[in-house]
Amino acid sequence: DAGITQSPRHKVTETGTPVTLRCHQTENHRYMYWYRQDPGHGLRLIHYSYGVKDTDKGEVSDGYSVSRSKTEDFLLTLESATSSQTSVYFCAISGTGNQYTEAFFGQGTRLTVV
Amino acid sequence: GDSVTQMEGPVTLSEEAFLTINCTYTATGYPSLFWYVQYPGEGLQLLLKATKADDKGSNKGFEATYRKETTSFHLEKGSVQVSDSAVYFCALSGSGNQFYFGTGTSLTVIP
Repeated sequence: DAGITQSPRHKVTETGTPVTLRCHQTENHRYMYWYRQDPGHGLRLIHYSYGVKDTDKGEVSDGYSVSRSKTEDFLLTLESATSSQTSVYFCAISGTGNQYTEAFFGQGTRLTVV
Repeated sequence: GDSVTQMEGPVTLSEEAFLTINCTYTATGYPSLFWYVQYPGEGLQLLLKATKADDKGSNKGFEATYRKETTSFHLEKGSVQVSDSAVYFCALSGSGNQFYFGTGTSLTVIP
C-alpha cells in the first residue's frame, strides 16, 4: 500500500470554526490531491498540488484553501466550516504526473459540521 | 471538459452471476482509464487500468477494454463472489494531470 496517512480520521466541528485536515505521504510523489465524496456525486476535486508551494483549484474549491510547504504534507483548511461541507475527504497522490500513472488514496477523513 | 459517466446503481447479483458495469467518457486527447474499488470505510483502491486504445486491463477476474470508437471502458467479471461487494468507480486521467471520477456503482452480491 502507498504510504499515505490522513489525520484526523473523524472530526466533528461547529459551524463557523476553521478546520484543518492533514495528508502526509512517504512516497515522495510530486502530485497531491484533495477530494470530497458525497452520495450521488462520486469524488469531486477540491484542490491539487504539483509541487511544493504550487497549488491549483479544482471544481469545488469555494470555502477551502490548501498549503504545501513540504513535499510530504498537503493541508486542507476549511476557513469557516458550514454544514454543506459535511463530507468524507480523501487525499490522493500520484507519482510522475503523466496521465499513465494511477492515483493512490488515503483512508479518508469523515468530517461532520454541526 | 473531461468527464466520466457510469451506470447508476445499486446493482444486486447472485453469487456466480455475470457482472457488467458500464462506463463512458468524454475527454480531449488520449486519456488513461481506470477502475477503482472502495470497500466500506476505506479509501479507493486501483482495480485495473488501461493507457491506450484497445488495451485490456485485468485483475482478480475483472476485465475492461479501452474502446476509443465508443469512448467506453466497461467493467466485467464472469462470476462474482460475495467478497466483490463494494462500490466501483470509473475514472480517467488526461492532460493536466487531473483525475475525473464517475459517481460510483454499488454492487451487492448475495449468496
